[in-house]
Amino acid sequence: GAVVSQHPSRVICKSGTSVKIECRSLDFQATTMFWYRQFPKQSLMLMATSNEGSKATYEQGVEKDKFLINHASLTLSTLTVTSAHPEDSSFYICSARDFYGYTFGSGTRLTVV
Amino acid sequence: KQEVTQIPAALSVPEGENLVLNCSFTDSAIYNLQWFRQDPGKGLTSLLLIQSSQREQTSGRLNASLDKSSGRSTLYIAASQPGDSATYLCAAPSSGTYKYIFGTGTRLKVLA
Repeated sequence: GAVVSQHPSRVICKSGTSVKIECRSLDFQATTMFWYRQFPKQSLMLMATSNEGSKATYEQGVEKDKFLINHASLTLSTLTVTSAHPEDSSFYICSARDFYGYTFGSGTRLTVV
Repeated sequence: KQEVTQIPAALSVPEGENLVLNCSFTDSAIYNLQWFRQDPGKGLTSLLLIQSSQREQTSGRLNASLDKSSGRSTLYIAASQPGDSATYLCAAPSSGTYKYIFGTGTRLKVLA
């Protein structure tokens, strides 16, 4: 079946630095990918829709300048958390549209110290 | 706007019990619904994907049903085991889009 690989699975960074998270579709091409965020003890919330070759579409309340999304190829979307702060510590997960539906990556746990 | 609700929020059962987790959604114009498992501090594991044309999907001890007309899906776990302890999430796409809306999950604890 379709596989979405997300890297890294865990990352710890210092406050003020930027962190890049990669989401790859391994055996299919994905023109559309989605990025979600999960705060502790809460469910996943959609952050943005990533479209290959065009600008991402952000959900209301998500800062596009803080969460930079690049979808430069049909198999790779990246989410960069810029100038990360402790409140950005969260679980981030991507999903990609495949032939049957949507496949989710395993997620990235970001801790900003 | 799609809203997904899961009941109960938490459940604790002795090992061996059969149990049912409930998921309800407000917009029935969905093309599929997914159930996931999430272990503490870990990522999502996809359990079952039910297409809108299906009423049930089974995988091992898991059985998921979908009733679009009533806006409900259930996840049935047979002969529960301590290893089944996790949070179970259901997700349905928002109307007319491919954006998934997640429920708040059911935290399951199976006691040995």
